[in-house]
Parts: sequence; C-alpha cells; structure tokens
Amino acid sequence: EVQLVESGGGLVQPGASLKLSCVASGFTFSDYWMSWVRQTPGKTMEWIGDIKYDGSYTNYAPSLKNRFTISRDNAKSTLYLQMSNVRSEDTATYYCTRVGPSYFDYWGQGVMVTVSS
Amino acid sequence: DVVLTQTPPTLLATIGQSVSISCRSSQSLLHSNGNTYLNWLLQRTGQSPQPLIYLVSKLESGVPNRFSGSGSGTDFTLKISGVEAEDLGVYYCMQFTHYPWTFGGGTKLELK
Repeated sequence: EVQLVESGGGLVQPGASLKLSCVASGFTFSDYWMSWVRQTPGKTMEWIGDIKYDGSYTNYAPSLKNRFTISRDNAKSTLYLQMSNVRSEDTATYYCTRVGPSYFDYWGQGVMVTVSS
Repeated sequence: DVVLTQTPPTLLATIGQSVSISCRSSQSLLHSNGNTYLNWLLQRTGQSPQPLIYLVSKLESGVPNRFSGSGSGTDFTLKISGVEAEDLGVYYCMQFTHYPWTFGGGTKLELK
C-alpha cells in the first residue's frame, strides 16, 4: 500500500525557516517524480514544485522559487521542503504527492504550517 | 499561468440527482504530445484530495462509473449521474499540461 507521511509542521514566526519531510513507503521511491502542494485556510490549492526521481532536476512555482527548496533522499525514501523567510501567507496545509504519468496519483495526509508571531 | 475557473462554486443536490461541474481554462490544455492533462479530484471533509478522473475522462481505479468527465481544449465537465452521500465534498479540476500546474477554485457539493 502506498503511503506518504508528512511531518515537521507547526507554529513558526515570520521570517523563520522550516523544513518539512515526507516519508514514502509501499513503492520504489526512486522511480517517481515527487511534488509538494499546499492548501490555504480558504481551501485554495497551490502547486509548489516537483523534483525528478534522481533529484537532479526541480521545478517551482515562480512565486515561491526564491524561498522554497525541494530535495530528496532516495536512500531514506524521504522528500523534503525547505521553507525560508516564511510569511503569513505561507500558512497552509502542505501535501506531499506522488507524480504519476498524468496526475498526482497519491497524496499524503498533509501537515499544517501556521506562520504567526 | 493557466487559470482554471470552476462553476458553480457551490452545488446543492439531493441523493440520486445528476449534477455537472464546469471547468474552463484560460488556454488550451492540449499538450504537444496529443494528450490533454485535465484532472478532477475530490476532497471530502477532513481528508486529503483524492484523484477521480485523469486525462479528461479516464476514471481512477476504484472510482464508481457514475462519475464521468468530458471536454476538450478549454472547456471541461465533470458529471455525477446519481449523487450518493459519499460524493459530498469539494471537487477540484487541475491541469498538468503547462507549468506551473494549477488548480481550479473548487466546487462544494452539498445536500439540499
């Protein structure tokens, strides 16, 4: 059974950094592109970016590429999202997703990040 | 960026009623490889989004055939032929054709 389990969320102050993790199981992690998607409290969905199966290439939403970095450790079957200089508008639930051939075929349960002083 | 506009934002239905949700794109979602990467997801209350339909009309494994997708280019429709209680939640369209990938604003399906 495919499972994606995010962690690392919580309350963080504006301007701080935070690193989210997503541990994958039930499939060969190194065979798949992976992605992060976030959902605001108002339920707006936003794609953050993705990373190639070997970690050699990343794509980002233009509005986030200067502050967010996606990486992976295939030996640990783990995906990461490094968030820097966070702002109140980064408050959201962050989802780890597996990128299938045509769509996001599996989603994690999500992890909440709240940016507030 | 591709803007996906979903209508209506809220849909009230009775059990057994057939309903449709529209998703219009600001540009064609036909990829140069001939595929149209328009997908539909359902997010039930308190749950993660789950895929329903991909490539406009292909049902994800396990999705009941009362769900169907249609459309081309910039206009797409999700139809539920006989709403059941388990279908309630928020439906999103999303496109996988042009970076950055984008989502529609969502349509909330509620009981009348």
